[in-house]
Amino acid sequence: QSALTQPPSASGSPGQSVTISCTGTSSDVGGYSYVSWYQQHPGKAPKLMIYDVNKRPSGVPDRFSGSKSGNTASLTVSGLQAEDEADYYCSSYAGNNNLVFGGGTKLTVL
Amino acid sequence: QVQLQESGPGLVKPSQTLSLTCTVSGGSISSGGYYWSWIRQHPGKGLEWIGSIYYSGSAYYNPSLKSRVIISVDTSENQFSLMLSSMTAADTAVYYCATTDTNGFIIYWGQGTLVTVSS
Repeated sequence: QSALTQPPSASGSPGQSVTISCTGTSSDVGGYSYVSWYQQHPGKAPKLMIYDVNKRPSGVPDRFSGSKSGNTASLTVSGLQAEDEADYYCSSYAGNNNLVFGGGTKLTVL
Repeated sequence: QVQLQESGPGLVKPSQTLSLTCTVSGGSISSGGYYWSWIRQHPGKGLEWIGSIYYSGSAYYNPSLKSRVIISVDTSENQFSLMLSSMTAADTAVYYCATTDTNGFIIYWGQGTLVTVSS
């Protein structure tokens, strides 16, 4: 299984919206509605932000939203805030109880 | 709230076998409903799923690591473990243990432990 493809970087000004893409194949992203997104600040463990494509865990601001079309999933962060600056990783179920991650996107708040 | 804590050596010599243990608190592995996973992150790089195990002992591994990995579970101690053989410098990484939902998303993460492979 190959890693999912994410852009290495993304940026936006405070208050703006930014969308991060995550491209896989029909064997992972396109084949299941089991895409999740994680936020990771430097030196910290990742934190679940979105699961099952577009569901938010309790405590995650509704500024974070997820979607999927075909083999590409997306994470949108609206109303960017300084604390949103972090690395973001997507992940997908890949069949046979396997998981696959994306390479990560560094989000910069300008 | 479930908490996970990794333990094991921070330094491993090339060709040796890494052994890490994850101790779970605030929840019981044997209650079922979740998988228990190992994930690693090479320095400055992305996340890599190593494998997952169910309380019953059924284990699933990343195909790229399958020949070198064994994940086991000890429900009596509420722990699960990782063994990774034939370690090389390319295995230097932060190793995380985690609680994984049956849909594949990771609910809880340990704090991570840095393992360096060096002679």
